[in-house]
Amino acid sequence: NAGVTQTPKFRVLKTGQSMTLLCAQDMNHEYMYWYRQDPGMGLRLIHYSVGEGTTAKGEVPDGYNVSRLKKQNFLLGLESAAPSQTSVYFCASSYQVRETQYFGPGTRLLVL
Amino acid sequence: AQKVTQAQTEISVVEKEDVTLDCVYETRDTTYYLFWYKQPPSGELVFLIRRNSFDEQNEISGRYSWNFQKSTSSFNFTITASQVVDSAVYFCALSEARYSSASKIIFGSGTRLSIRP
Repeated sequence: NAGVTQTPKFRVLKTGQSMTLLCAQDMNHEYMYWYRQDPGMGLRLIHYSVGEGTTAKGEVPDGYNVSRLKKQNFLLGLESAAPSQTSVYFCASSYQVRETQYFGPGTRLLVL
Repeated sequence: AQKVTQAQTEISVVEKEDVTLDCVYETRDTTYYLFWYKQPPSGELVFLIRRNSFDEQNEISGRYSWNFQKSTSSFNFTITASQVVDSAVYFCALSEARYSSASKIIFGSGTRLSIRP
């Protein structure tokens, strides 16, 4: 039981490049989330999903897109990376509304 | 508006001292959950506790204890006899359910705790 996994662990991009971050969970959770963590700002919700085939915007969605084609996977895409997107990205999942969210190990992204 | 405030940005204590991390929250929901997460230097986020708004009993787990007071909207975390391994950033969080029944957690900005040997 791996819990929540994220791929890749670290990535360097040049401004304007695109990439996709993959989150996978094996706990059969309905809800999945993408957060970004920046110094002194805690975690901020980018997008979330309440089930397979659904996505919704969080607090800071601009510049990101997501897809949830399979229940266990939640993809975060950056179409044209900007230096402001340099951050640590965390994926999380939960079974039901207000249940505990379990986090992946994070992806460190540097945009030059 | 929902908000979580951790006024202590950094705390440094000597090993074996007791330390309390403060958390104050704001919400208009009558039903909500409060959480504490630990982020050690390795970077992962580790769930510590969840408390619902109807349960004001204090919780103790080994050297950790939590004091939930609705009257002051606070959910403070105390580590007794601190150890170097407790060094981490600790996040307090509040769960609301205002977006299409999804559980959105709002995090405080975190308190960096350093335990000196």
